Amino acid sequence: AQSVTQLDSHVSVSEGTPVLLRCNYSSSYSPSLFWYVQHPNKGLQLLLKYTSAATLVKGINGFEAEFKKSETSFHLTKPSAHMSDAAEYFCVVSARSEGSQGNLIFGKGTKLSVKP
Amino acid sequence: KAGVTQTPRYLIKTRGQQVTLSCSPISGHRSVSWYQQTPGQGLQFLFEYFSETQRNKGNFPGRFSGRQFSNSRSEMNVSTLELGDSALYLCASSYSGTPWNTEAFFGQGTRLTVV
Repeated sequence: AQSVTQLDSHVSVSEGTPVLLRCNYSSSYSPSLFWYVQHPNKGLQLLLKYTSAATLVKGINGFEAEFKKSETSFHLTKPSAHMSDAAEYFCVVSARSEGSQGNLIFGKGTKLSVKP
Repeated sequence: KAGVTQTPRYLIKTRGQQVTLSCSPISGHRSVSWYQQTPGQGLQFLFEYFSETQRNKGNFPGRFSGRQFSNSRSEMNVSTLELGDSALYLCASSYSGTPWNTEAFFGQGTRLTVV
């Protein structure tokens, strides 16, 4: 079975400071891991994904995440927050196996607030 | 290239009624998945269709059903609506439905309110 735990339901940072959103995963298969962002009244957008290639994954808008198997973590970081980064972020896992088609397993989400 | 289109965007229904939601995937995509998003349970997978066949199903009661047409458009139906069915319903389309090698693109969702 697969699951993800987002360790913080809400994170608040000041504009220009680093962002860290934490995610731990559990998977009985080699997982694929994703971060999605949801802005108010908008659909989910893929930020980045890990699918067993490089463990440091770079995404859009300056975000990156590092896959750490020993820690079962996939934390999302950004060196400098912008006001436009304020949104809800979801850590997502999918098993690479038959019977997992279309099934993305979402964490509960972390709301990121960015203060001017 | 047009994105994923969900209609209608908002719906208000009465308990006991049924509802049908529609999702038009990105052109060329053959997989459509449906998710329910609520404040309490978060985002939960409902089912996935590929080339008119349901390949995968989440843990929802039989009141939730879906189908996919030959043009890949999909509908989901909820019968005998309950207050707890109030949610944002999201659909995602992808080329193959295998998220480890194809990106899933989400629509803006249909906000269903059951009164």
